[in-house]
Amino acid sequence: GAGVSQSPSNKVTEKGKDVELRCDPISGHTALYWYRQSLGQGLEFLIYFQGNSAPDKSGLPSDRFSAERTGGSVSTLTIQRTQQEDSAVYLCASSLVTSGRGNEQFFGPGTRLTVL
Amino acid sequence: DAKTTQPTSMDCAEGRAANLPCNHSTISGNEYVYWYRQIHSQGPQYIIHGLKNNETNEMASLIITEDRKSSTLILPHATLRDTAVYYCIVRSNNNAGNMLTFGGGTRLMVKP
Repeated sequence: GAGVSQSPSNKVTEKGKDVELRCDPISGHTALYWYRQSLGQGLEFLIYFQGNSAPDKSGLPSDRFSAERTGGSVSTLTIQRTQQEDSAVYLCASSLVTSGRGNEQFFGPGTRLTVL
Repeated sequence: DAKTTQPTSMDCAEGRAANLPCNHSTISGNEYVYWYRQIHSQGPQYIIHGLKNNETNEMASLIITEDRKSSTLILPHATLRDTAVYYCIVRSNNNAGNMLTFGGGTRLMVKP
């Protein structure tokens, strides 16, 4: 079956521009996670959704970052007024549930964002 | 979540078993051991997880010691495509929305 998909796969933008990253989770997965990974670094948690609501926004680096999820499916991560330090691979993952059996997370291929 | 310790890197000959160790001496009773891997330029991939019994799936086997303070991920017949960084993570299954935290992992190099 289809896995988690993300678009675009690569995005190059100029400093100060806004970008929107999209994630399509596995069908039926109620939980959706956004992470980012800078070059050679581990995962940095950004935000997660249970259904359409985001109980934990603590990982968002600044108020330039926002995310939404509609219909319990697709999610978009928006970065306003991008800065060079925003350059990273943005990874999306989904899981059937957030806790208990079935909470293993399945990742998409990521979006590589480069801010010039 | 409990801390894990893994070797920085390992080599394995193609076709041989790759045994990747992980120490998690501070693991608590409700924490599971999860393994993920990340192949270069790809997103992390779930491999397997377990609580106290040994587990096996189509990708790998997970052997957890009786005291649960360490575990070993076994790839029975490593291929060149198994070259990746392997992450051992300990986390509770009871915390809603429990995000993943990856440590340094083990860089496995499968050689012909």
